[in-house]
Amino acid sequence: QVQLIESGGGVVHPGADLRLSCAVSGLTFSSFGMQWVRQAPGKGLEWVAFIHYDSSKKYYADSVKGRFTVSRDNSRNMLYLQMNSLRPDDMGVYYCAKGGLYLDVWGKGTTVTVSS
Amino acid sequence: DIQLTQSPPFLSASLGDGVTITCRASHNINSYLAWFQHKPGKSPKLLIYAASSLESGVPSRFSGSGSGTEFTLTINSLQPEDFATYYCQQLDTSPFTFGGGTKVEI
Repeated sequence: QVQLIESGGGVVHPGADLRLSCAVSGLTFSSFGMQWVRQAPGKGLEWVAFIHYDSSKKYYADSVKGRFTVSRDNSRNMLYLQMNSLRPDDMGVYYCAKGGLYLDVWGKGTTVTVSS
Repeated sequence: DIQLTQSPPFLSASLGDGVTITCRASHNINSYLAWFQHKPGKSPKLLIYAASSLESGVPSRFSGSGSGTEFTLTINSLQPEDFATYYCQQLDTSPFTFGGGTKVEI
């Protein structure tokens, strides 16, 4: 079955960098767009980033533009989110999700804590 | 950016009730709207896509309607497993924003 497994979360200080990974199995990864969505503690879902199936298009939320970079390695079935200059309001659970349009499969999430 | 406004933010209901959640978009998003169910500690689950299409495996008591700027999610005959938070998301224009959520509780 289709599986998305996030990793790379942890506790970091403000200003630090972190790279999240999402390992995808059970589907032809190179055929699908992918997205990152996050949820801050006690808050709703927030869309973060999108990457086209062939990396030709990338879109970002205004809140992360210029600090976060989404990428993928289709040869390894891996999705990444490079997060630089982390701020306390970047804290939360980060989900990767399959979908060039509608997000029909989600990972379980990885938790990022930003605290001094 | 396109803003999505969900109402109500909280909804108190009983087993067997029918409920309706509304999602209003600040601009025309055609039918590029999805509805998700989210429970604490779980991953969000796609219920409805393209405003009114039921995702495979989702019970038929869930239905979606609307186009343009006004959309609704209806749950007929609430079941115990339906108590959760529901979100709409627009996929018309980046950034692909979510609504603020509607928590359905007993």
